[in-house]
Amino acid sequence: DTAVSQTPKYLVTQMGNDKSIKCEQNLGHDTMYWYKQDSKKFLKIMFSYNNKELIINETVPNRFSPKSPDKAHLNLHINSLELGDSAVYFCASSQGKGSNTGELFFGEGSRLTVL
Amino acid sequence: QKEVEQNSGPLSVPEGAIASLNCTYSDRVSQSFFWYRQYSGKSPELIMSIYSNGDKEDGRFTAQLNKASQYVSLLIRDSQPSDSATYLCAVNKPGRRALTFGSGTRLQVQP
Repeated sequence: DTAVSQTPKYLVTQMGNDKSIKCEQNLGHDTMYWYKQDSKKFLKIMFSYNNKELIINETVPNRFSPKSPDKAHLNLHINSLELGDSAVYFCASSQGKGSNTGELFFGEGSRLTVL
Repeated sequence: QKEVEQNSGPLSVPEGAIASLNCTYSDRVSQSFFWYRQYSGKSPELIMSIYSNGDKEDGRFTAQLNKASQYVSLLIRDSQPSDSATYLCAVNKPGRRALTFGSGTRLQVQP
């Protein structure tokens, strides 16, 4: 059983399109995250939800909109895709929040390529 | 100045040697420190956590923390080719509800 699963694993799309990535965790964790990893391997936090409540919203273009229908799911919708959005997007979860957010469990990543 | 800095490498060591990976952080109030390993094309996985000054050992891995110098390191003893990966340092601080990652150090262990 996969603990944190993301779909799709690969996305290739044209500039200007809209796309969504879905994430589900079966660990019973309270907190879920979206991280973006660029070509230089730099992992940057985008959003975090705790029990469906948005607790982190970094400086991310408002073309990116997260949605958490319940604490086991966190989706990411991206409007009007740009070349610079090409990256690997990782979903992660953890038990607790704040200073307890040590052990992150990552999904396999979704590699987005914008042409 | 980046919040978490690592040398990108690659750091190349022969099989059986000790690999030493280093990380510095800018915010003195940081209180939790983590090392994640990421194989090419895979997701990061936690290998070590450390919260207080000194050394913490787990098998072939030793994490070292020096809060006065704002420095954390990871030693891998008896390096194996299977240790070849990118090692990400991550830091947490009070009031910050997510980990901040460095850009990682690529380790190559030569057979």
